[in-house]
Amino acid sequence: QSALTQPASVSGSPGQSITISCTGTSSGVGYFNLVSWYQQHPGKAPKVILYEGIKRPSDVSNRFSGSKSGNTASLTISGLQAEDEADYYCCSYTSSSTWVFGGGTKLTVL
Amino acid sequence: QPQLQESGPGLVKPSETLSLTCTVSGGSISSSTYHWGWIRQPPGKGLEWIVTIYYSGSTYYNPSLKSRVTISIDTSKNQFSLRLSSVTAADTAVYYCAQYKTATASFDYWGQGTLVTVSS
Repeated sequence: QSALTQPASVSGSPGQSITISCTGTSSGVGYFNLVSWYQQHPGKAPKVILYEGIKRPSDVSNRFSGSKSGNTASLTISGLQAEDEADYYCCSYTSSSTWVFGGGTKLTVL
Repeated sequence: QPQLQESGPGLVKPSETLSLTCTVSGGSISSSTYHWGWIRQPPGKGLEWIVTIYYSGSTYYNPSLKSRVTISIDTSKNQFSLRLSSVTAADTAVYYCAQYKTATASFDYWGQGTLVTVSS
């Protein structure tokens, strides 16, 4: 199975908003509302920040939001802060009962 | 909240078998609420899902690794284990174990990860 497609990098200034896309297939991202997003700081384990595409765990800031259109899911971070600088990964469950991650996006806060 | 801890050799020779164990504390591996998985990350690269197991023994494999992967679960020890055979340098990675919460369809708790290097 091929990795979900994410941009390699995005950047933004503090206070701005950025969006990271995650493109999959009609048997994964497009079929289920089961995309999750993970934030990973250097040397740390990933942390879930969105699940089912749009839902936030209770300990995650409401600056993080999600959406989906067709085979593409998106993560938007509003009011960028320095602490948001990290790698972000999407993950989708598929109709083959497997999971697939995106290639990851490095977010730089300028 | 659960804590997960990976353990196993940090160095494996090419063609040999990589073996890792994940010990879960603060929660029951027999809970019907969760699955348990292994995910790896080669140095400087992205995450790759390897395998997921349910307490009943149902397993789900990454097709590209299925022929080399064995996963098992020991409910008496609250542990699950990964074996990856015929390793090469391409299998060098940080290996994470993680809890998959079915209700949220997400890997909600992760171990800290353990680096396994394949080298002679």
